[in-house]
Amino acid sequence: AQSVTQLDSHVSVSEGTPVLLRCNYSSSYSPSLFWYVQHPNKGLQLLLKYTSAATLVKGINGFEAEFKKSETSFHLTKPSAHMSDAAEYFCVVSEGGTYKYIFGTGTRLKVLA
Amino acid sequence: EAGVTQSPTHLIKTRGQQATLRCSPISGHTSVYWYQQALGLGLQFLLWYDEGEERNRGNFPPRFSGRQFPNYSSELNVNALELEDSALYLCASSTLAGVFTDTQYFGPGTRLTVL
Repeated sequence: AQSVTQLDSHVSVSEGTPVLLRCNYSSSYSPSLFWYVQHPNKGLQLLLKYTSAATLVKGINGFEAEFKKSETSFHLTKPSAHMSDAAEYFCVVSEGGTYKYIFGTGTRLKVLA
Repeated sequence: EAGVTQSPTHLIKTRGQQATLRCSPISGHTSVYWYQQALGLGLQFLLWYDEGEERNRGNFPPRFSGRQFPNYSSELNVNALELEDSALYLCASSTLAGVFTDTQYFGPGTRLTVL
C-alpha cells in the first residue's frame, strides 16, 4: 500500500528566507507524486508533479521539488518566501491503477514579516 | 478555461436530513472524484466516477453515494446526516491521460455543516 508522510505539521519562516517542506513516501513501485497548496477556505491548487520524467521538478510561484528514490523523499523548496505563500501544503501520492490520491496530513506554512 | 465548479458554497442541514452536493468538471474531463476534508481527519478519498460509472470508493458507509451524468457533472448525496459529516467536500476532475501522469484539478469545495 502506498502512503505519504509530511514530517512537519507547521513551519514558520521569515519573508525572504528559504522554504523547506518535507515529504516522505512509501510505494511498491515508481509513484506519481504531487504537491498541492490550499489557501484558507479555498480548494487545492496544483504546485507541481513528478511522473518519472525528471527528478528535479519545477512548479509554479518559484517552488520546486526533488524526487530522491534512495531516500523515498519528495521535499518542496522555494529560495525566498513571500507573504502570499502562507497556506497549507499537501504532498500527494497517486495510487497506481486506481487513480486514487493519497494525501499527507498537510504542513501549514507561516511567513513572518 | 473554466475550472471545476461546485455548488452550493455552503450548506447547513440538521442531523438525519439528506444533503446533495454538485460538481461540474473542467470541459473535456470525464473523471470526477470526491474527497472529504474533515477537521482532524485530513483529506480522504470518497468516490471516483468515470464515464457515468462508479470506479472506486473510499472507506465510507453506503449512505455516501453519488452519480455522474451524461455531461460528466456529478452529484454527491449524503443520507441520514450525522454531526461528524460536517466537513469541506472537494470535487476534482481529470482526463485520465494515463495512470501515472494523471492530474486532478480541484474545485473550491462545499462546506457542509450538520447541526
